Formats: sequence, structure tokens, C-alpha cells
Amino acid sequence: EIVMTQSPATLSVSPGERATLSCRASQNIWKNLAWYQQKPGQAPRLLIYGASTRATGIPARFSGSGSGTDFTLTISSLQSEDFAVYYCQQYNNWYTFGHGTKLEIK
Amino acid sequence: EVQLVESGGGLVHPGGSLRLSCTASGFSFSDYAMSWVRQAPGKGLVWVSAISGPGGSTYYADSVKGRFTISRDNSKNTLHLQIDSLSAEDTAIYYCAKEVAPAAGDYFDHWGQGTLVTVSS
Repeated sequence: EIVMTQSPATLSVSPGERATLSCRASQNIWKNLAWYQQKPGQAPRLLIYGASTRATGIPARFSGSGSGTDFTLTISSLQSEDFAVYYCQQYNNWYTFGHGTKLEIK
Repeated sequence: EVQLVESGGGLVHPGGSLRLSCTASGFSFSDYAMSWVRQAPGKGLVWVSAISGPGGSTYYADSVKGRFTISRDNSKNTLHLQIDSLSAEDTAIYYCAKEVAPAAGDYFDHWGQGTLVTVSS
């Protein structure tokens, strides 16, 4: 099973600043990685697929990068609605999610 | 607009069974694989089961194999998950999620709001 490790577990950032979230796979997953955002009481929402392609309707301040085993989600200028939990998911070999990064207001 | 609406959750005793359903609309249901993903209270997302668009191929996480059965009725745009021999570890919100191709093994572009399954005596 491919293990996905996200860091940090919690990230405190001020509105308007940049946030950088990391996700590492235990083996090569090429670019078969998606990012999701989940707010309290809501279902996850797809942000990024193919490691770097934004899903429909996702603002340009969200960007993804990486390939192989190391991936990054960057939110360029945090808005109030961006504070949430973010999950990465590999789909190179079935499905595995990371444990999430909670992005909180500093 | 794609919509996925789950139902069938509730409180069940250990060892009991439930049948979850997910009603889909806004897309050609039979053209896409579907999955169930669960989330225990305060925890992360865990994939449970998937089924191909036509319904001929099914897949399960090792933790539920033999206890859960996924199925779909493409004539009714409905996805099901039969869950048997429930234990407290199965307590979670169960989400249905749409994939992006007929074959399973991809990412999820739409999710339902989830249905809560609570296993307790």
C-alpha cells in the first residue's frame, strides 16, 4: 500500500500570506495526485488533480506542483474561506489519502 | 449540476447491517465509476469500495473485504453499499464520490454530503 504523509499537521498563517502544504508518497506515483479541501461539516471538494491541474471553478491562487514522491499545494494569498483541512490523495495504485493538514488562522 | 445524495445511515448495534444508497443526478451515471469513502469522527478520509461504470468490476479495501458489498443500478442512477457485521470501528460518515472515467482507480471530482453510520450498543 502506498502511504501518503502530509506535513505539517497544522499550519498557522495570516490572511493575505502564502501557505505551502506538503505531501510525500512512499513510492513513485508519477503525477497521479489530487488535493481536496474540507471545511467543517462539509464534504471534501476537489482542488487539484494530476498534481498541478486546477479543477473547475477553483481560484488561481491555488496551485499544485511536484511529481514522483514529493508534492506541494500552494495558496498564494490566503482568503478567510481558505482556512480548512487539506488532503492529498494518490490514485496511481488504487486510492490512499494523507492524514490532512489543518490550515488555521494565525 | 452534478448531485449526489446519500441515505440509509443511522444507529445500529454491533453485528448489525445497513444498506446505504446514493442517488445521482446531473450526469450520465453509467459512464463513471463510483466509490464510497468514509471518515470516522475527527479523522481523515479512507477509501472503502469502488465499482466500475457498467458495474461489472468491484473493489474493496482490505479492512472491509467480505463484509461490505458495493452495487449499482444504472437504470435508477443509484449506488449502494451493503454493510454487514458492523463494529464500532465502522462508525463514520460515508460519502459517495464520483470518479472521472468508467474504470475505477482515479480521483473524485464530486462528492455527496455523506450519511452517518453509528455503531453502538
